[in-house]
Amino acid sequence: DADVTQTPRNRITKTGKRIMLECSQTKGHDRMYWYRQDPGLGLRLIYYSFDVKDINKGEISDGYSVSRQAQAKFSLSLESAIPNQTALYFCATSDLPALDRGSDTQYFGPGTRLTVL
Amino acid sequence: TQLLEQSPQFLSIQEGENLTVYCNSSSVFSSLQWYRQEPGEGPVLLVTVVTGGEVKKLKRLTFQFGDARKDSSLHITAAQPGDTGLYLCAGPSRGHAGGTSYGKLTFGQGTILTVHP
Repeated sequence: DADVTQTPRNRITKTGKRIMLECSQTKGHDRMYWYRQDPGLGLRLIYYSFDVKDINKGEISDGYSVSRQAQAKFSLSLESAIPNQTALYFCATSDLPALDRGSDTQYFGPGTRLTVL
Repeated sequence: TQLLEQSPQFLSIQEGENLTVYCNSSSVFSSLQWYRQEPGEGPVLLVTVVTGGEVKKLKRLTFQFGDARKDSSLHITAAQPGDTGLYLCAGPSRGHAGGTSYGKLTFGQGTILTVHP
């Protein structure tokens, strides 16, 4: 079984609809992240959470909200979807990074392809 | 704002050829990572380089971290169709005070590699 799962894998919706993307992990990591991926733009951070009580905005949080329901679950919501939110969305997890490495491995889910018409 | 610029954005080569992908920044990074992403899947970590001038080898892949820790390269020898994918470099983001924000990553825009049989 995959360590990081995302549901749904594909979603087509209409402008103005509320959408929730869900992420679950079995790695036991405290840190979870939501990214969006657009062609030619790499991965951009939407929100991140370093533990259940910690929620932080990333570089492109406008139009999105998140909920950390438990250590293992981190959901992303689009309150009123718009066409330019059409993208591939990834959830990721990581353990506490080693300070002498500056960053630790991030483990990504398989992604959710969202289309907003 | 820290930026990581990858070049080239697209690379299409024949099986057996060698190639190099570059990741450059005007900022110093404490470490850099390389991820590989296949269609329909999330990125997977290939390597982390942490010391200026460091060279790491992973079978036919050679990763180098620049002496000034502002750039990195990925060299593939005798490319195979199985190497096809999106290659992403990433480094730890700066925190609000300008120091390294351990755990958060900034990604380059990616290099799409296609290796033809």
